[in-house]
Amino acid sequence: DSGVTQTPKHLITATGQRVTLRCSPRSGDLSVYWYQQSLDQGLQFLIHYYNGEERAKGNILERFSAQQFPDLHSELNLSSLELGDSALYFCASSVVEREGRHEQFFGPGTRLTVL
Amino acid sequence: AQTVTQSQPEMSVQEAETVTLSCTYDTSESNYYLFWYKQPPSRQMILVIRQEAYKQQNATENRFSVNFQKAAKSFSLKISDSQLGDTAMYFCAFMKEMNRDDKIIFGKGTRLHILP
Repeated sequence: DSGVTQTPKHLITATGQRVTLRCSPRSGDLSVYWYQQSLDQGLQFLIHYYNGEERAKGNILERFSAQQFPDLHSELNLSSLELGDSALYFCASSVVEREGRHEQFFGPGTRLTVL
Repeated sequence: AQTVTQSQPEMSVQEAETVTLSCTYDTSESNYYLFWYKQPPSRQMILVIRQEAYKQQNATENRFSVNFQKAAKSFSLKISDSQLGDTAMYFCAFMKEMNRDDKIIFGKGTRLHILP
């Protein structure tokens, strides 16, 4: 158990709908990262938040948005869903350790199926 | 832009054998981090081993070790005395130096089967 929690575990919805995925980082971690794992694109970075502020964006569609709240949990919002959005969505959190060691701890993922 | 290439989509080895998974990467950065992540059928992403580019010594974690060749931009993973529980997808990954765009870039993965 990495200490990162994600809800829900599974989500089945229809095209055109909107969903929200939730992530709670490990206690004390300020950074939250979102990744998408699909069959054809592999694991891709979507977005990074640090202490409530957006820090970096990857290949995130305009239909997708995210935020990190004061309690440090994060939500990834996916709207106008398409079949191709079906994927496993991971959240990861990190804290900078001493000596510059850096590690991202991954949650169990949310499997999204768009029908 | 950084890229990570895993040239072996799938591999199979007998239990107790040693197996090496290959990974090459491309970057113009001088300092960075390299990782191997394991993804078993449960889909959980598990960090197996980490290497800081400024360290010349190859990282080891029990039965797992790496061969880090910075000049060649190569980062292979060796699993010794392989066990059935090592069956998983293995991802090689790259990250720039901490605090500078620290997203992880993953390779496409190598599916490893450990045969009884």
